[in-house]
Amino acid sequence: NAGVTQTPKFQVLKTGQSMTLQCAQDMNHEYMSWYRQDPGMGLRLIHYSVGAGITDQGEVPNGYNVSRSTTEDFPLRLLSAAPSQTSVYFCASSYSNLAGVTAGELFFGEGSRLTVL
Amino acid sequence: AQTVTQSQPEMSVQEAETVTLSCTYDTSESNYYLFWYKQPPSRQMILVIRQEAYKQQNATENRFSVNFQKAAKSFSLKISDSQLGDTAMYFCAFIYSGGSNYKLTFGKGTLLTVNP
Repeated sequence: NAGVTQTPKFQVLKTGQSMTLQCAQDMNHEYMSWYRQDPGMGLRLIHYSVGAGITDQGEVPNGYNVSRSTTEDFPLRLLSAAPSQTSVYFCASSYSNLAGVTAGELFFGEGSRLTVL
Repeated sequence: AQTVTQSQPEMSVQEAETVTLSCTYDTSESNYYLFWYKQPPSRQMILVIRQEAYKQQNATENRFSVNFQKAAKSFSLKISDSQLGDTAMYFCAFIYSGGSNYKLTFGKGTLLTVNP
């Protein structure tokens, strides 16, 4: 059972380069999200999606784009990388409304460490 | 907007002893959920325990229990009989339970080290 799969696990970029962090889940979850984790800052929500074709902004969306063409995939795009985007990125999914029966039970990927020089 | 505060950036405990991690939150809502997540060195985030605000009884999961004080907006995690495998970053998190809510708010985390 794969769960939530993120690729790549590590990436080094130069300022101004673009890249896409991939996230795929095989649990038929409607809800998917991207967080970034920085030392002393906890996890902050970047973007989230409640189903195919539906996305919305989280707490720190600037500099990132997302799309949700299928239930399984939720890629995160950095259009022009900046050193401030150096971070560990987590993709997480859940069944539906996070306050429903399975409240709060986010299933996380293993994270992607991104360094922007 | 909700805020979650973990005032202890780091803590340590001896193996087999008990430790309590603190969490306070600020919200004007009355119906919500609170959670503790664990992140070991492997970076994998794991849900440890969940508390529904309307339940007065404190949640318990094996060696993990919470002390939920709704009026004080406090939600501490107690780990009994600490084990080396409990060494991890612990995050407190909050979500409003009304309507369609999709934003889980995390605290900044407490790094717990269990010493042999």
